[in-house]
Amino acid sequence: EPEVTQTPSHQVTQMGQEVILRCVPISNHLYFYWYRQILGQKVEFLVSFYNNEISEKSEIFDDQFSVERPDGSNFTLKIRSTKLEDSAMYFCASSNPYNSPLHFGNGTRLTVT
Amino acid sequence: ELKVEQNPLFLSMQEGKNYTIYCNYSTTSDRLYWYRQDPGKSLESLFVLLSNGAVKQEGRLMASLDTKARLSTLHITAAVHDLSATYFCAGTGEGGTSYGKLTFGQGTILTVHP
Repeated sequence: EPEVTQTPSHQVTQMGQEVILRCVPISNHLYFYWYRQILGQKVEFLVSFYNNEISEKSEIFDDQFSVERPDGSNFTLKIRSTKLEDSAMYFCASSNPYNSPLHFGNGTRLTVT
Repeated sequence: ELKVEQNPLFLSMQEGKNYTIYCNYSTTSDRLYWYRQDPGKSLESLFVLLSNGAVKQEGRLMASLDTKARLSTLHITAAVHDLSATYFCAGTGEGGTSYGKLTFGQGTILTVHP
């Protein structure tokens, strides 16, 4: 069965550094999402992306965050200047059509020190 | 703004017993999902419920939706150890392009022991 793949599985970075989290959505999916889960807390929506633009974003997704689909297969989340509170598991998801269940990747655990 | 609350948050069950996880949501939601998450793993879609009275079953799990009460339940029948995981419900709010913007409950950590 097709999968959403995320790399790396674990990323450690220092506060203030930039990180890029990478995702390869399922190939025929058109709708892409990032979610995050701080340890022991709820899964939270960050952003949705369709047709090369952001369709919706949450309050968490401030100017420090950006998303990009640099080619036909990758979908990336960039955090420009990481803070301690950005430490979380970040999940990429994709779907097609837009009202079908989301398929989630295995996540990238981001640790900011 | 949609809020989703689950209870209980922790559930320790004996194998063979039945139990129900409850999911209350605050405003209209076009659809209600149940997801399973194993430790350190991704979220696996279990059920999507679309309309009032919807009931779906897969193995020992059955999910239902009451839109009037804004309540969904996940019923576990004759629990087995393999069902140990965290279970999340998630709503979409009202539709349009927001189907992918899910609001999750806190999750219910289910442990099934002999």
